[in-house]
Amino acid sequence: SYVVTQPPSESVAPGKTARITCGGKDIGSESVHWYQQKPGQAPVLVVYDDSDRPSGIPERFSGSNSGNTATLTISRVEAGDEADYFCQVWDSSSDHYVFGTGTKVTVL
Amino acid sequence: EVQLVESGGGVVQPGGSLRLSCAASGFTFDDYAMHWVRQVPGKGLEWVSLIGGHGGSTYYADSVKGRFTVSRDNSKNSLYLHMNSLRTEDTALYYCAKDAGDGYPSPCDFWGQGTLVTVSS
Repeated sequence: SYVVTQPPSESVAPGKTARITCGGKDIGSESVHWYQQKPGQAPVLVVYDDSDRPSGIPERFSGSNSGNTATLTISRVEAGDEADYFCQVWDSSSDHYVFGTGTKVTVL
Repeated sequence: EVQLVESGGGVVQPGGSLRLSCAASGFTFDDYAMHWVRQVPGKGLEWVSLIGGHGGSTYYADSVKGRFTVSRDNSKNSLYLHMNSLRTEDTALYYCAKDAGDGYPSPCDFWGQGTLVTVSS
């Protein structure tokens, strides 16, 4: 089955930029979605179809996808961005959705 | 306002069965596919199942295929997950989530708060 990997953690200072990667074979040919999950809460969609933002999500959240890597970028990081982030992709070869392993973002 | 409220979780013995429900409101239910996603507390997300808006298309993760059945009753704005032959590794918080469209490759744009299933003897 399709495997999607993320780094387990990322630390970033307030005001700086966090980049979270999501790796998979030819992931650039698929639509990738990103979710933010804070402790004790349900996930929230922050980026969909590689780079689109749902209404209400700050412009500081952006995405890109090419080759074997999709990236979620959080600009001007704030304390409230501290959370787990998961990527998601539809694996057309198996008719399954697949989530990445998740990245815990810590704001220093 | 979109609301998704799961129910039906609890403690069940290995080999047992359980039916989860998800009551939906705030959108035209049969226009959208729906998902079940589970999460072991403190761990990652695992997609479980997807059902199309009119119930004609269903998809399952390999880990639950043949044991779980997803269904929906559009007249009641409700989604269900029938779980049979439960295993200890099925222990998780089960989320109901609304698809942004009518199936892949759309994202899950709204989530419920989850219902906890514990499989233990």
